[in-house]
Amino acid sequence: DAGVIQSPRHEVTEMGQEVTLRCKPISGHNSLFWYRQTMMRGLELLIYFNNNVPIDDSGMPEDRFSAKMPNASFSTLKIQPSEPRDSAVYFCASSLAGGAVGYTFGSGTRLTVV
Amino acid sequence: GENVEQHPSTLSVQEGDSAVIKCTYSDSASNYFPWYKQELGKGPQLIIDIRSNVGEKKDQRIAVTLNKTAKHFSLHITETQPEDSAVYFCAASPNDMRFGAGTRLTVKP
Repeated sequence: DAGVIQSPRHEVTEMGQEVTLRCKPISGHNSLFWYRQTMMRGLELLIYFNNNVPIDDSGMPEDRFSAKMPNASFSTLKIQPSEPRDSAVYFCASSLAGGAVGYTFGSGTRLTVV
Repeated sequence: GENVEQHPSTLSVQEGDSAVIKCTYSDSASNYFPWYKQELGKGPQLIIDIRSNVGEKKDQRIAVTLNKTAKHFSLHITETQPEDSAVYFCAASPNDMRFGAGTRLTVKP
């Protein structure tokens, strides 16, 4: 299994631009999670999906952030418009059964907004 | 919601010594407690976990203990090696996982 695949690995964009991060979970995993990691705030849960349905998006910072999971093998996290304070590493993770089992994380997308 | 606190934030040990990282959680409904290791430039990787019906679990040089009454759980690494150097995260999960702030472990050769 190739694991959780995220793209791109690095993204540099100008303030105000739209950014789309992509994630392919492990085949057969029915839960998908988006986390943001910064030095100041650590690993923050942004949103999670169960069977492609958003369950909890209370961690999404504001309306500029949106996430979709159109099918079991693909999810996107979009930031529009982006701001410098959005600079962070964004991780996608998947699991077989929500938070009841360990997650498999992707390698992350390092986002820099200038 | 769940709040997980982790100590210490940094830990430096000599190769061969033991390392202990401690976490507390707030939500008594949490029943699953994994530990992750994150190396530079990589995502966190699950190294060991424990459930609320178990008090201790061991896997070679790594052990975890759980005190449900006190809402404490700990990671113990014995005979540390330089390759154990990384950031370690504890987490607690009632439904979705909340992470501690992380401990940067440095093992000096």
